[in-house]
Amino acid sequence: GENVEQHPSTLSVQEGDSAVIKCTYSDSASNYFPWYKQELGKGPQLIIDIRSNVGEKKDQRIAVTLNKTAKHFSLHITETQPEDSAVYFCAASALSGGYNKLIFGAGTRLAVHP
Amino acid sequence: SQTIHQWPATLVQPVGSPLSLECTVEGTSNPNLYWYRQAAGRGLQLLFYSVGIGQISSEVPQNLSASRPQDRQFILSSKKLLLSDSGFYLCAWSARDRSLAKNIQYFGAGTRLSVL
Repeated sequence: GENVEQHPSTLSVQEGDSAVIKCTYSDSASNYFPWYKQELGKGPQLIIDIRSNVGEKKDQRIAVTLNKTAKHFSLHITETQPEDSAVYFCAASALSGGYNKLIFGAGTRLAVHP
Repeated sequence: SQTIHQWPATLVQPVGSPLSLECTVEGTSNPNLYWYRQAAGRGLQLLFYSVGIGQISSEVPQNLSASRPQDRQFILSSKKLLLSDSGFYLCAWSARDRSLAKNIQYFGAGTRLSVL
């Protein structure tokens, strides 16, 4: 079945450094790849997404890259700040029976130290 | 703008008791609705999804059921809770129109359920 693997499971960086989280997916029909940020005790919030017709997308300090051939995509956070500390989830989507099914990675706990 | 509400935020229930978690969406019509469960330190597992009133699909066999009595209301239920039902339950919605926006899922704040 569909699967999304996410690495690393935990990531610790110093404030101002960059952080990179990588995901691979198994379903070649996947065409939409969102990234969610989940703070403690809250629901996941969409922070950036990319579609299969684009190789890279950037929004201020956050960027996502997609390699369809290799079936992997990555989240890049530059100039990290303590408020970036959270759990980040990648997901891959494919249309199934009229709705979009999201397969989530297991998450990466990012800690940014002042 | 669209908003999604889940309640209660936290719930402590004894084993064998019933469960009812409610989710409502405002500001949109005919949404797709989803229930996820998140075990501690784990990813999100899709439990149920619904593309319309009374239309429920289950992703995994379990002790829970879902219902959609109104267009923007989604309910997660159980007749008798098990210890293994403890977790963080999340409701989400996505648009069901033909635009690209239908891919995006928006999550509620979640309900933390502890079964003791």
